[in-house]
Amino acid sequence: NAGVTQTPKFQVLKTGQSMTLQCAQDMNHEYMSWYRQDPGMGLRLIHYSVGAGITDQGEVPNGYNVSRSTTEDFPLRLLSAAPSQTSVYFCASSYREGQPQHFGDGTRLSIL
Amino acid sequence: EDQVTQSPEALRLQEGESSSLNCSYTVSGLRGLFWYRQDPGKGPEFLFTLYSAGEEKEKERLKATLTKKESFLHITAPKPEDSATYLCAASSGSARQLTFGSGTQLTVLP
Repeated sequence: NAGVTQTPKFQVLKTGQSMTLQCAQDMNHEYMSWYRQDPGMGLRLIHYSVGAGITDQGEVPNGYNVSRSTTEDFPLRLLSAAPSQTSVYFCASSYREGQPQHFGDGTRLSIL
Repeated sequence: EDQVTQSPEALRLQEGESSSLNCSYTVSGLRGLFWYRQDPGKGPEFLFTLYSAGEEKEKERLKATLTKKESFLHITAPKPEDSATYLCAASSGSARQLTFGSGTQLTVLP
């Protein structure tokens, strides 16, 4: 009964490094999304996907890439990390768009 | 541009002291209003979805209501285990994106 699994839980990067945040769900959900959560700003949508092979930008997509080759996985790539990308990142999924989303427990990312 | 505003930012209650949290929204064609609970170090946990003005939903000590401009989360006789941050979010238009408020941090003192 895993739900939405995010790895790693914590990560420290240096400015300019790249990395991939992993997200996997085992509920056969079509819709998946990535958010960042910063103090006082709530959750902001980075990218989302309505099914395998289909992705689109959210509110704050710059500096991030996504792909969706399978229904289960939706990785988020930081191309060249910047201190402004220090945040907590949440992946979420739902049966389809507009339905309640299930969230993972987040990846806490620090960029030095 | 869709906007969701929550108030107050923080609320401290004594155990048993009922209160309400507010979520005001400005969206183009509301498709759904969602309430989530978030505990420290965890992801948000779904509580309720409301779809139309006048709708109400209840779960234990929590009741969510919806009007055309805002939603309320009423907490009746809260317990310390109700302490958490409560988030609301609105879905509009194609329903492909959620707009979240910044949350209300609730602390219930024993």
